[in-house]
Amino acid sequence: DSGVTQTPKHLITATGQRVTLRCSPRSGDLSVYWYQQSLDQGLQFLIQYYNGEERAKGNILERFSAQQFPDLHSELNLSSLELGDSALYFCASSVVWDTGELFFGEGSRLTVL
Amino acid sequence: EDQVTQSPEALRLQEGESSSLNCSYTVSGLRGLFWYRQDPGKGPEFLFTLYSAGEEKEKERLKATLTKKESFLHITAPKPEDSATYLCAVQVPSGYALNFGKGTSLLVTP
Repeated sequence: DSGVTQTPKHLITATGQRVTLRCSPRSGDLSVYWYQQSLDQGLQFLIQYYNGEERAKGNILERFSAQQFPDLHSELNLSSLELGDSALYFCASSVVWDTGELFFGEGSRLTVL
Repeated sequence: EDQVTQSPEALRLQEGESSSLNCSYTVSGLRGLFWYRQDPGKGPEFLFTLYSAGEEKEKERLKATLTKKESFLHITAPKPEDSATYLCAVQVPSGYALNFGKGTSLLVTP
């Protein structure tokens, strides 16, 4: 158990809908990362927050947005969903913002029908 | 442009049959190279960090090494519980986010 909690574990929705994925980092970790994992693309970095502020942005679509709240939990919002958005979405956390030693949650599996 | 390429995509070993996984990278000014293990249905789990050519790290049956262009994950006398996908990642030059390879899926049979 990494200490990173993600909900929901599974989510099935229809095209055009909007969903919110939630992440609680390990106790004491200030940095939260979101990654998308699909069979063809592998693990892709989406966005990073550190202590409530956006720190780095990767290949995140404009239809996707995220935020980190004062209690350090984070949410990833996915809107106008398309079939291609079906993937595993992982949250990871770390104590500092510049490390590569991340602790990953077990992921949220999104299926768009 | 792919910055991290892992090979082979899949590897099947008999228990006790040692082998190596390869991770080649094209990033200049490497900040760090990282190895992770991912079990089915789970998130990646951190294994090693390597910062400079010539560096080596060991953990049980695993040893990671780094050169200027690639890293190897050597698995000595593997056991079935070593079966997993092994991911390699580099910190991108423009920041500190990790850029992952697509992984090597390792299956160790008894």
